Amino acid sequence: DQQVKQNSPSLSVQEGRISILNCDYTNSMFDYFLWYKKYPAEGPTFLISISSIKDKNEDGRFTVFLNKSAKHLSLHIVPSQPGDSAVYFCVNWGKLQFGAGTQVVVTP
Amino acid sequence: DAGVIQSPRHEVTEMGQEVTLRCKPISGHNSLFWYRQTMMRGLELLIYFNNNVPIDDSGMPEDRFSAKMPNASFSTLKIQPSEPRDSAVYFCASRAGIYRGNQETQYFGPGTRLLVL
Repeated sequence: DQQVKQNSPSLSVQEGRISILNCDYTNSMFDYFLWYKKYPAEGPTFLISISSIKDKNEDGRFTVFLNKSAKHLSLHIVPSQPGDSAVYFCVNWGKLQFGAGTQVVVTP
Repeated sequence: DAGVIQSPRHEVTEMGQEVTLRCKPISGHNSLFWYRQTMMRGLELLIYFNNNVPIDDSGMPEDRFSAKMPNASFSTLKIQPSEPRDSAVYFCASRAGIYRGNQETQYFGPGTRLLVL
């Protein structure tokens, strides 16, 4: 029962351009979500979060948007840098559920 | 702080053997989580502890899996007997707060890569 869905397994973007990662969720009692970033051979690390009292949260190059009516959130990375190449997980915090992840590759 | 420490980092074993994974959470953290990452199922929560007490083990796949937290600084995840389908990366994470919906960050260890032949 996948309640957090990241439908794009991979994303390739040129350095300097915008990366947009999407996440859909169902049946969430807690509209609180996080994005984790994971490099190979390392554990996930926290990136940014958003709660239901906001529809946007920004931290430097990273911005997360939450559309509660559509049960959709997205992560924008602007501008994308080679060091952003990683797997990004959308997490429903109330259920402690991780999405399948999106592999981002930033090319020079 | 050294962060969450997991050992071993890699484990290769034969089917039927017992496997024990170890985790040392960040000092002062009250919650500890065990996750498993596989290609088929992604990252899934197996069990979590609050103040050393198991709260939700609904993610534990079978009776072959067991987890303990004898004190605030140590936890184990044991698989007995192990099977090839248990091959995965097992992550331990800890968090300062104890409530499931607590809006505090989990800090993950580097993971243990388990291969069961």
